[in-house]
Amino acid sequence: EAGVAQSPRYKIIEKRQSVAFWCNPISGHATLYWYQQILGQGPKLLIQFQNNGVVDDSQLPKDRFSAERLKGVDSTLKIQPAKLEDSAVYLCASSRLRGADGYTFGSGTRLTVV
Amino acid sequence: GNSVTQMEGPVTLSEEAFLTINCTYTATGYPSLFWYVQYPGEGLQLLLKATKADDKGSNKGFEATYRKETTSFHLEKGSVQVSDSAVYFCALRGQGYNKLIFGAGTRLAVHP
Repeated sequence: EAGVAQSPRYKIIEKRQSVAFWCNPISGHATLYWYQQILGQGPKLLIQFQNNGVVDDSQLPKDRFSAERLKGVDSTLKIQPAKLEDSAVYLCASSRLRGADGYTFGSGTRLTVV
Repeated sequence: GNSVTQMEGPVTLSEEAFLTINCTYTATGYPSLFWYVQYPGEGLQLLLKATKADDKGSNKGFEATYRKETTSFHLEKGSVQVSDSAVYFCALRGQGYNKLIFGAGTRLAVHP
């Protein structure tokens, strides 16, 4: 089966600019996750969707980050305006409903804010 | 809350050496435990998992046993190869939840 697709692979922006990342999960996976991985740290969950509803966004900085999952398939994560500390790899993952078998991760988008 | 603690890296080994990467966790109930591996420039890949106490997960020569009495899930491999060089993440999924919580990761470098 095809994996989790993410784009772009790399992005460099100036602080206070906006940026958007796209994710296409594995077909049939009901649950989609966005993680932030800062250099030298483990991934941290930003937001979790089940179908097109938000299950957990407790660690999403809502003043600048937003995410949507239209029609329960593709998802977009946006940052507006970006700060230097947003420099990280943004990972998208998907799983079957309860994720008992673990997740499948995409290759990630590496964001550098200068 | 739930959390995962891994030994700090980097871990540097010669080829064919024995590998142990320590992982301990804090969680209520009966979490599921995972090891993920991240090769340079790639996303995370599931390496192995265990869903209940005393389960042993294994894959590609790696093993880890879910020890509830010591709240540990240490990763081991009897003979590492250069191709095992990567960052290894221990993670848990709390009972009744989907969310994976990761440790900080341990970088492994294997030299010929």
